[in-house]
Amino acid sequence: DIQMTQSPSSLSASVGDRVTITCRASQNINNYLNWYQQKSGKAPKLLMSAASSLLSGVPSRFSGSGSGTEFTLTISGLQPDDLAYYYCQQSYTTPWTFGQGTKVEIK
Amino acid sequence: QVQLRESGPGLVKPSETLSLICSVSGDSITNFYWSWIRQPAGKGLEWIGRIEASGSVTTNYNPSLKSRVTMSADTSKNQFSLKLTSVSAADTAVYYCVRQHSFYYHTTGYYYSRFDSWGQGILVTVSS
Repeated sequence: DIQMTQSPSSLSASVGDRVTITCRASQNINNYLNWYQQKSGKAPKLLMSAASSLLSGVPSRFSGSGSGTEFTLTISGLQPDDLAYYYCQQSYTTPWTFGQGTKVEIK
Repeated sequence: QVQLRESGPGLVKPSETLSLICSVSGDSITNFYWSWIRQPAGKGLEWIGRIEASGSVTTNYNPSLKSRVTMSADTSKNQFSLKLTSVSAADTAVYYCVRQHSFYYHTTGYYYSRFDSWGQGILVTVSS
């Protein structure tokens, strides 16, 4: 199985800050990488596919980059509504696997 | 707008079989792949398996659960189901049914798979 490792596990930032979450794959997955946002008590919501393709309707403050084994999700200008867990997921091969999640808190 | 809804018992006894149904509206289950994903409380997401029912039904299961998992589809009801046998407390989790969609990314010229529509989830507790 491909292991996905996120860092940090949690972070706290102020409104307006730039926040970066890193996701590393245990092997090359090209850009077969999705990002999800999960708010408390809700199902995950797809934010981004192919490492950097933002889903329609997702605010443009979210961006993604990376290829191979290292990827980043950036929130440029953190908003109170961004309080959530964020998960990366590789879609390179089954079994599909997720990172352990990063909790984003607002100071 | 596709909608998915999980249903089934919220409590299952150890060693018994967990059975869940996902009812889909707004889309036919003969389109796309359909997956089950679970999340233990306070933990991450685990893909259980997927089913494709456009013609002959095909399934793919997570090897970690393969010996205990069966997925099936009822196209007449637009539903798909999950059975997990010999459950233990480790199977206590919120179970989600999810649509898996492939999209074409013009920048690279390739198709990418993603989980784009999720049910609300159902908590299944394994306890005597």
